[in-house]
Amino acid sequence: DVKVTQSSRYLVKRTGEKVFLECVQDMDHENMFWYRQDPGLGLRLIYFSYDVKMKEKGDIPEGYSVSREKKERFSLILESASTNQTSMYLCASSPTGTGGQNYGYTFGSGTRLTVV
Amino acid sequence: GNSVTQMEGPVTLSEEAFLTINCTYTATGYPSLFWYVQYPGEGLQLLLKATKADDKGSNKGFEATYRKETTSFHLEKGSVQVSDSAVYFCALSAGSGTYKYIFGTGTRLKVLA
Repeated sequence: DVKVTQSSRYLVKRTGEKVFLECVQDMDHENMFWYRQDPGLGLRLIYFSYDVKMKEKGDIPEGYSVSREKKERFSLILESASTNQTSMYLCASSPTGTGGQNYGYTFGSGTRLTVV
Repeated sequence: GNSVTQMEGPVTLSEEAFLTINCTYTATGYPSLFWYVQYPGEGLQLLLKATKADDKGSNKGFEATYRKETTSFHLEKGSVQVSDSAVYFCALSAGSGTYKYIFGTGTRLKVLA
């Protein structure tokens, strides 16, 4: 069963800590994404990557960075966690379709991060 | 810019009722359109998709038709079950070769036995 695995379901961190959220996919997908999900706001794109060592900013990159050293792994880093980063974080991956076709995302189960 | 607008929830229905969740979009070019479902405590799962005008996506009794003239992609199901209780998200990908998706805010569906 193909899947996207996020390392933690629940995480509690202190303000100012450096936080790493890990995401691994086993489908050999080229594209990987980090979203945050907040009530009333839906999903907002933080960063994405179309290839190893490649990254692009999404709509809300401030306070975050990412790393993609291997094709299967895409890490989200909160450089100095703040309370307004308390949220559900969702990782997703997708293949690069032939002729640009879209096949849809496969999502991980999410990491609920609380910053206190 | 590109955007997706969904009807606000929650939507509460009795079992076997007909479901419609409205979704309209704004996009340049020819977007692909998707519906995702999120069950409690889980990530999102792809429910169905349509990649061009007049396409109908379907899965698990759910259907949605890509209507370019009304820029809509409404989700329908003829007879809902308690197990359909979840949050439903409409999303678009703005054109060929673009893999970033824009999501709506989600519509919570609650089905009562």
